[in-house]
Amino acid sequence: DTAVSQTPKYLVTQMGNDKSIKCEQNLGHDTMYWYKQDSKKFLKIMFSYNNKELIINETVPNRFSPKSPDKAHLNLHINSLELGDSAVYFCASSQGSGGYNEQFFGPGTRLTVL
Amino acid sequence: RKEVEQDPGPFNVPEGATVAFNCTYSNSASQSFFWYRQDCRKEPKLLMSVYSSGNEDGRFTAQLNRASQYISLLIRDSKLSDSATYLCVVTNTGKLIFGQGTTLQVKP
Repeated sequence: DTAVSQTPKYLVTQMGNDKSIKCEQNLGHDTMYWYKQDSKKFLKIMFSYNNKELIINETVPNRFSPKSPDKAHLNLHINSLELGDSAVYFCASSQGSGGYNEQFFGPGTRLTVL
Repeated sequence: RKEVEQDPGPFNVPEGATVAFNCTYSNSASQSFFWYRQDCRKEPKLLMSVYSSGNEDGRFTAQLNRASQYISLLIRDSKLSDSATYLCVVTNTGKLIFGQGTTLQVKP
C-alpha cells in the first residue's frame, strides 16, 4: 500500500540513450511533482502538474518531458541522456498546488549516466 | 546567494543532547515554512510545519522570525534515531524551495 511509488529504483545507462521513469500515487492527490537531487544534495523542483495540467516548468532542458495521463500518474521521459543528468529523481504529490500542504515523496530513482 | 541557506554540518552530538539548527531565506515574500527530514538514501518526509508563533511537536520545536527571515529547529533529548539530514523548506510562488540540509549524527 505504498503511497507514492516510482519505477525503476535504479537506472544505469549510456550517454545518448532515452529513458523513462514512472510515478504513481494512490493518495487521491490532485498535484504531482518531479524533483532532482544532485550530488550536493540540493533538491530542486523540475515540474508540477495539477489535475493533469502543467503548472510549474522550471528551467529544465527540453530533453526532459513530463507526461501526466491522469491525476494519479506522472511520468518523466529523458532524451539524449548526458553525464550531468546523473542524480536522484523524486516524484511527489500533494493535495492542492499552492505549496501550503505536505508533499509526499516517492522512494526516488537513482539515475547513473555512463 | 541561495534562496534557503543552512549549515550542512555534520553536527555530531551524544544521545540526550539538545541541538539547534538554523536556516535563513532570502525572499521576504515566502509564504509557508517547513522542516523535512531525509534519512540516508531515502526520500524526504515532512517533520513539521513552522508557524510564526512557534510550534512544538514532542521533542521538536520550530521557530520562525519573519523580520530576520530566519527559521530554527530545536531537538531536545536527542535519540540515535534522530540521525538524519534536516531540510529547511520555504514556499515561494507555489513552489517548495529546499535548503541543502543539515546532517545530524547522534552518537551513543
